Amino acid sequence: EIVLTQSPGTLSLSPGERVTLSCRASQSVRSNYLAWYQQKLGQTPRLLIYDASSRATGIPDRISGSGSGTDFILTISRLEPEDFAVYYCQQYGSSPWTFGQGTKVEIK
Amino acid sequence: QVQLQQWGAGLLKPSETLSLSCVVNGGSFNEYYWSWIRQPPGKGLEWIGEINHSGTTNYNPTLKSRVTISVDTSKNQFSLSLRSVTAADTAVYYCARGRYSDWFLGRRPFDYWGQGTLLIVSS
Repeated sequence: EIVLTQSPGTLSLSPGERVTLSCRASQSVRSNYLAWYQQKLGQTPRLLIYDASSRATGIPDRISGSGSGTDFILTISRLEPEDFAVYYCQQYGSSPWTFGQGTKVEIK
Repeated sequence: QVQLQQWGAGLLKPSETLSLSCVVNGGSFNEYYWSWIRQPPGKGLEWIGEINHSGTTNYNPTLKSRVTISVDTSKNQFSLSLRSVTAADTAVYYCARGRYSDWFLGRRPFDYWGQGTLLIVSS
């Protein structure tokens, strides 16, 4: 099983700031099949990024993904009020499909 | 537009069996695998298992001994059965659309999700 470790656990930031979230895999993610999801309190996870760097439908270009192999990054260039949430990475290259433990982005 | 609507019992006693179902409206049911994912209160996401239209299943080894996922293609519906529940199974359970059913089409993330069902296991 591929274990995904996200860091940091929590980020306290202000609107307008740039944020970088990390996801590290215990082994190489096949074909960079790595996704990022956003989840707000009481809501269903929302797909942001797939295949490490492709934006899902309707996702603004201030949100981007990068990385390959075992190290992946989610970047939000300028935080908007609606971006404060928990972010999860997930690999779908090797079964069982696994998720990271999440990074919470909170308002400072 | 693809929509997943799920339903099932939300309160069980220890040792009972969880039964949830999810119906898919819109899109092509036969083209994908359909998954169940859960999230304990305040915690992260755990993939439970998946099924395609042919009934081919794939389970998370951590739950495999207690899980059965079934499909009814005539209704575009799939179901989860989790046996012998304990307090550790208390979670929100989601259904979701995942990878392509045909392996040569490549892999996909979970792009459409059901609304979630909260299961509480308590005596």
